[in-house]
Amino acid sequence: QSALTQPASVSGSPGQSITISCTGTSSDVGGYNYVSWYQQHPGKAPKLMIYDVSKRPSGVSNRFSGSKSGNTASLTISGLQAEDEADYYCCSYAGSSTYVVFGGGTKLTVL
Amino acid sequence: EVQLVESGGGLVQPGGSLRLSCAASGFTVSSNYMSWVRQAPGKGLEWVSVIYSGGSTYYADSVKGRFTISRDNSKNTLYLQMNSLRAEDTAVYYCARSEPPFGEFHFDYWGQGTLVTVSS
Repeated sequence: QSALTQPASVSGSPGQSITISCTGTSSDVGGYNYVSWYQQHPGKAPKLMIYDVSKRPSGVSNRFSGSKSGNTASLTISGLQAEDEADYYCCSYAGSSTYVVFGGGTKLTVL
Repeated sequence: EVQLVESGGGLVQPGGSLRLSCAASGFTVSSNYMSWVRQAPGKGLEWVSVIYSGGSTYYADSVKGRFTISRDNSKNTLYLQMNSLRAEDTAVYYCARSEPPFGEFHFDYWGQGTLVTVSS
């Protein structure tokens, strides 16, 4: 069982917006502003999409945005495109000895 | 250009040992936080271990006492020594970088991964 809880799957049509939730506890998501999100296409390495809750690395589309409220973080993808179809993982800092914990992953299907 | 290239994966029997390597280029391993993250077939990501720039090391409970993370500064290479391997250690193992002082807690670069299969 993963430390952070994500929905197993979400779907949306091209052009629509979707949101993926990531629920933790006050010891991880709720305790620090160090939530990150990763996109993984089949057979590929994960790619950083969002860090520090809502910051976007250079080169990542502004269609991707992140937020947090209490113990739940969210990733929103607007203007869905076919290439957004992938698995998405949230990750949170959880203290110096635990370091980080991942969510179980969410499969995004673009209909 | 930042690059991470893992090697050393393969088939090993339960109870056996394996050492993974991650050769880095484009940055200095010892100046960053370096982690191993694994992914069992068809499953999600699991953080395994980290070595801080200062040398402190931490491990997931699932591998504590069996795995050892280290680095060779002269070779700019990260290692993961895996002992007493179990079937549940079967996974693709990725090395990943976290860059202080403001990026310690997310992974901005990942290697392509190396597959470890533990089976008799």
